[in-house]
Amino acid sequence: DAKTTQPNSMESNEEEPVHLPCNHSTISGTDYIHWYRQLPSQGPEYVIHGLTSNVNNRMASLAIAEDRKSSTLILHRATLRDAAVYYCILRKYGNKLVFGAGTILRVKS
Amino acid sequence: NAGVTQTPKFQVLKTGQSMTLQCAQDMNHEYMSWYRQDPGMGLRLIHYSVGAGITDQGEVPNGYNVSRSTTEDFPLRLLSAAPSQTSVYFCASGDLGQGNTEAFFGQGTRLTVV
Repeated sequence: DAKTTQPNSMESNEEEPVHLPCNHSTISGTDYIHWYRQLPSQGPEYVIHGLTSNVNNRMASLAIAEDRKSSTLILHRATLRDAAVYYCILRKYGNKLVFGAGTILRVKS
Repeated sequence: NAGVTQTPKFQVLKTGQSMTLQCAQDMNHEYMSWYRQDPGMGLRLIHYSVGAGITDQGEVPNGYNVSRSTTEDFPLRLLSAAPSQTSVYFCASGDLGQGNTEAFFGQGTRLTVV
């Protein structure tokens, strides 16, 4: 499985944008880039995914580098409810989700 | 609107006891999996299944058994519980797709082995 590298933790102020980076230099052409987050005492929840183009949904945006070796999850206005562990995962057909340590996001009021 | 349902939510076992953690999904997903999460760590894959009758091992399968007799259910069996199996267990399901489908997780079972 191709690996991802994320910072251990990040901090943001409430109401400000947050950019969570992820490096995946060994990504293959069939790997989708997925982001999940885990709120305290809950199971992980899906945030967003993409292949080559930038993606937007109601939760976040995903910016993918042209060479696909890195990506950035963008939370446009962080709230206290966004404090969670964010996982960047590469996934291909029929393959399991392999979680790394993720990035702990702390949001300050 | 149930999604992925795990039972029980909490369980305390004595060393050597056996038990089954239940996982059910109502979304007709082919793919189901079990993870464990130890304090302060990410999730580690125990076993997974790509359809009824098909199971495979993840990265930490020792001490656990699974079976998949129906699409909906994917129970995880602890044959002889050990303190090292104290953890939070998550079940997940999803369509197989081309890697472009999301996974849905249950709320977890917190297991303590004493």
